[in-house]
Order: sequence, then C-alpha cells, then structure tokens
Amino acid sequence: DAGVTQSPTHLIKTRGQQVTLRCSPKSGHDTVSWYQQALGQGPQFIFQYYEEEERQRGNFPDRFSGHQFPNYSSELNVNALLLGDSALYLCASTGGKGAFFGQGTRLTVV
Amino acid sequence: AQSVSQHNHHVILSEAASLELGCNYSYGGTVNLFWYVQYPGQHLQLLLKYFSGDPLVKGIKGFEAEFIKSKFSFNLRKPSVQWSDTAEYFCAVNALEAGYALNFGKGTSLLVTP
Repeated sequence: DAGVTQSPTHLIKTRGQQVTLRCSPKSGHDTVSWYQQALGQGPQFIFQYYEEEERQRGNFPDRFSGHQFPNYSSELNVNALLLGDSALYLCASTGGKGAFFGQGTRLTVV
Repeated sequence: AQSVSQHNHHVILSEAASLELGCNYSYGGTVNLFWYVQYPGQHLQLLLKYFSGDPLVKGIKGFEAEFIKSKFSFNLRKPSVQWSDTAEYFCAVNALEAGYALNFGKGTSLLVTP
C-alpha cells in the first residue's frame, strides 16, 4: 500500500477536452508534487504544492494547473488536451526528504 | 544542461548474476540521490536514498548504491539478482539549485531470466 491514492486509475479523453486528476497524500504529508511519465521515459516534474500554493513549477505550459486543498489533497487540471498529453500522471507526497508515489492515472487522449 | 543519465536502457541477466546500473548527474552543489523501482503494474517504490554521510548506502531487498562525488555518480548494485527483481529502475536527483523537484533518469529496464 503506497499510502498515496490517485483517482481515477484510467481515463480516456478526446483532444481539446479538459481533465481533472485527484490525489490524496500519505497521512502526515503536507506537500504534493505531480509528475508526467510518458511511455519509455522517466517521470517529469510538473509542479509542487505546499500550504495550498504552487511552490515550484517545471517546464509545462499553462494548460497544466493545479490546486491543493486544506486537507493537503490535490488536483491536477489539464485544459485543451493534446494527443501528446497521453501519459501516466503520478502524484507524490513528501513529509520529509524523499517522495512516496501513488499508482498513477493513465490518461489516454484520442 | 542539468541532467540525470542512466547508461543502460535494457539489461538482461540470469538469476544469481551480479547487477550494476549506472547513474550520472550534472548538477553542482548539494544533491540528494535516490533509486526508485517500478515493478510491473505497481507504483514507484523507493529502493534507497543518499543525503549525506557514508557514501555507500544500503537499501531494501539487498540493493546498495555508492555515491562517488568526484565522478558525479550514484551506481546501483546487487550481488545476486533474483527473477523477482525484474522491473524498471530509475535514478533521481534532488539538487538544491533545482529547488524541490525530483529529476529522473530515463530508467533501466531489467529482465532477470530463470
């Protein structure tokens, strides 16, 4: 059990649509990061949320946005989906050094 | 450019063979180093991590890694692999200059044959 839960596990969307992915961090963790893992690649950092604020952002366009709630859970929103957004989206929670990952949401854009 | 490089993309070993997976990074300054494993159909799991102190780090399942600062390397080793070690292995770096992000290598796919 990873302790980090993500929903949904799989999702199919049409190009141009919008999608929201959800993450509940491990108990006691207050920091949530999102990563995109394309097929055959390592995870790429999207952004990190701490105290309900975006603390750091990777090289992703503004179509990618997020939110953190007072209970530390988080959402990742992607607008105007492109075929290239198809990937495994990972949520990681941190309560110290090192990160614990959820199982991810497999997003397919058709 | 800042990067994390894993030299071997696909490795095939027989059971009981020794394993060494290479990882090099290009960040300067203080770094925290990690190896993660992703078994088929499962989430990323932390194998081991290095923050400071003894450069030889022992992790779960018999894995260890050695931090060689002069070579900017953090290679993963296991003396004798098992079929259950078949998985994808990722090296990751968290560098002070990069803030809070974990930067991953592209991964090494390990297949252990009986």
